[in-house]
Amino acid sequence: GNSVTQMEGPVTLSEEAFLTINCTYTATGYPSLFWYVQYPGEGLQLLLKATKADDKGSNKGFEATYRKETTSFHLEKGSVQVSDSAVYFCALRGGYNKLIFGAGTRLAVHP
Amino acid sequence: SQTIHQWPATLVQPVGSPLSLECTVEGTSNPNLYWYRQAAGRGLQLLFYSVGIGQISSEVPQNLSASRPQDRQFILSSKKLLLSDSGFYLCAWSQGLAGGNQETQYFGPGTRLLVL
Repeated sequence: GNSVTQMEGPVTLSEEAFLTINCTYTATGYPSLFWYVQYPGEGLQLLLKATKADDKGSNKGFEATYRKETTSFHLEKGSVQVSDSAVYFCALRGGYNKLIFGAGTRLAVHP
Repeated sequence: SQTIHQWPATLVQPVGSPLSLECTVEGTSNPNLYWYRQAAGRGLQLLFYSVGIGQISSEVPQNLSASRPQDRQFILSSKKLLLSDSGFYLCAWSQGLAGGNQETQYFGPGTRLLVL
């Protein structure tokens, strides 16, 4: 079946550090892939997505590339800010438009 | 523009009491609707989804049920809450079959439920 595996957190970084959060998936075919972000006390917001292999999703300085060879969709940002502190969820689109989420990775950025 | 509302924002309930959480969507028609639960320290689990009025699909067996009495209203219920029902409940919507982009789901602000 479909599944998503994310690196375990928490990830703790200093401001302006480089961020990578790993995400790999198992799926039949090539589903659309997503990164959602959950800021403290809030619901989820779509951060970026990619709908086919080799697509790069980007938003707010974050990027992720759909790699079918490695079945990965790693999230990266060149220089994190304190305001990026949140929980990040990788997800894939399953049948009937259901989203299958990873367990989430908490990011804490310190000044 | 479309908006999604959930209430209440926070709820503390005793074990064995009933539950009703409401979600409404504005600014769209015939949306797909979803209920997710996020237990403490864990990821998101899809509980129910609906593609139309009165149509509910359950993803996991549990103590909860869902209903969709109107096109843009989605209700999560329980007759008797368990301690394990505690968590953060998120409602989401996406465009329906006739709406174009179905892929992106938009989430509400969530309801934090604590069962004591």
